[in-house]
Amino acid sequence: QKEVEQDPGPLSVPEGAIVSLNCTYSNSAFQYFMWYRQYSRKGPELLMYTYSSGNKEDGRFTAQVDKSSKYISLFIRDSQPSDSATYLCAVQGNFGNEKLTFGTGTRLTIIP
Amino acid sequence: NAGVTQTPKFQVLKTGQSMTLQCAQDMNHNSMYWYRQDPGMGLRLIYYSASEGTTDKGEVPNGYNVSRLNKREFSLRLESAAPSQTSVYFCASSEAQASDRKGKLFFGSGTQLSVL
Repeated sequence: QKEVEQDPGPLSVPEGAIVSLNCTYSNSAFQYFMWYRQYSRKGPELLMYTYSSGNKEDGRFTAQVDKSSKYISLFIRDSQPSDSATYLCAVQGNFGNEKLTFGTGTRLTIIP
Repeated sequence: NAGVTQTPKFQVLKTGQSMTLQCAQDMNHNSMYWYRQDPGMGLRLIYYSASEGTTDKGEVPNGYNVSRLNKREFSLRLESAAPSQTSVYFCASSEAQASDRKGKLFFGSGTQLSVL
């Protein structure tokens, strides 16, 4: 079993729709949860960063962590064509200098 | 502000050839990383360097070597390239030693490597 599972998509939605992207993880020791956005032929860039459970909102983006079910989500409201990218979830423990574990990424296309 | 700079952007090698991928960051970060990204596999850590003078193996180190030349530069070397090393390679850096900055990686734009 992979430590982080993510539906690879692709996912296509019309402009203005609400997008929901999800990951599950297996290790309850993970404490830090991140979403990275990767445009075609570019490196990933950090989009959202959450510690432990709860919600975090930044403009049209909301990251949600449910540690009881080991489930993390990213919601995009009022989606725009510029949101078309691959979204990678990532998790990290809290023991020293731990490395990130990434999901495989979900390719999202927003249709104008 | 350049951030993380990788060279080259594209490279084609023949099996058995060697090459070095260069990476430099100008953010004064302590930690640097090399990842490879393959379809369906996501980002996998090859090697990392928690600080100048130290390097450690990641998830897929076989066939690679690294050098942390100084705080800014971290290079990845393929001594004898194999077709299985065809991939997109990303360098990244972070202030990973600070707990409130854990997981905040800054990536370069990648090197597309093909081994024939």
